[in-house]
Amino acid sequence: AQSVTQLDSQVPVFEEAPVELRCNYSSSVSVYLFWYVQYPNQGLQLLLKYLSGSTLVKGINGFEAEFNKSQTSFHLRKPSVHISDTAEYFCAVTANDYKLSFGAGTTVTVRA
Amino acid sequence: DAGVIQSPRHEVTEMGQEVTLRCKPISGHDYLFWYRQTMMRGLELLIYFNNNVPIDDSGMPEDRFSAKMPNASFSTLKIQPSEPRDSAVYFCASSATSGGYGYTFGSGTRLTVV
Repeated sequence: AQSVTQLDSQVPVFEEAPVELRCNYSSSVSVYLFWYVQYPNQGLQLLLKYLSGSTLVKGINGFEAEFNKSQTSFHLRKPSVHISDTAEYFCAVTANDYKLSFGAGTTVTVRA
Repeated sequence: DAGVIQSPRHEVTEMGQEVTLRCKPISGHDYLFWYRQTMMRGLELLIYFNNNVPIDDSGMPEDRFSAKMPNASFSTLKIQPSEPRDSAVYFCASSATSGGYGYTFGSGTRLTVV
C-alpha cells in the first residue's frame, strides 16, 4: 500500500514571501503524485500532478512541485504567495489503481 | 460542465435517523469516490465505483453505511441509523480513466448528527 506524510501541519508565511510544503511518500512500486488545495468550506481542487516525464511539474496559481525518487519526496513550492493562497494543502498518492491516499494536510496562513 | 454536484450542502439530523447523501458525477467520468473528512482522521476513502460497480468498500466503517450507484449519473451514500460520531464532511469525487487520475471533487455535505 502507498502512503504520504506531510511534514508540516501548519505553515505561516508573509505575503510575497516564498513557501515550501513538504511531502514524502512510501511505496514499493511506481507511484503517481498529486497536490490538492482546499479553501474554507469548499471541496478539494487539483493544483498539479506528476505521472511521468519531467520531475518539475508546474500547476495552477503559480505553484510547482518537484518529484525526487531517491528521496521519495514531492515538495510543493511557490516563489511569492498572496493572501488568497491561505488554504489547506493535501499531498496524495496512487499506484495505478485510481484510489488516492491523502496526507493529513498542511494549513497555510498568509499574513500581510 | 457543472462539476460534481452534491446534495444537500448541510444536513442536521437526530441520532437514529436515516440520512441519504447524493452525488451527481461529471458526465463521462467512469470512477466515483466517496470520502469522509474529519479533524481527527483527515480524508478517508469510504468506497469507490468503476462503471457503476463497487470496487472497494473496505473503508466503509460499519454496516450502518451503504452506497449505491444505480446509473452513471447518480450515487447515494446512506447511513442508517445515524450516530453523533458520523458527523463529518462527506465528499464525492469523480474521475475518468483517460483523465490522468485527477479527481474532481464536489463541494461536500456537512453532516451533523445530534
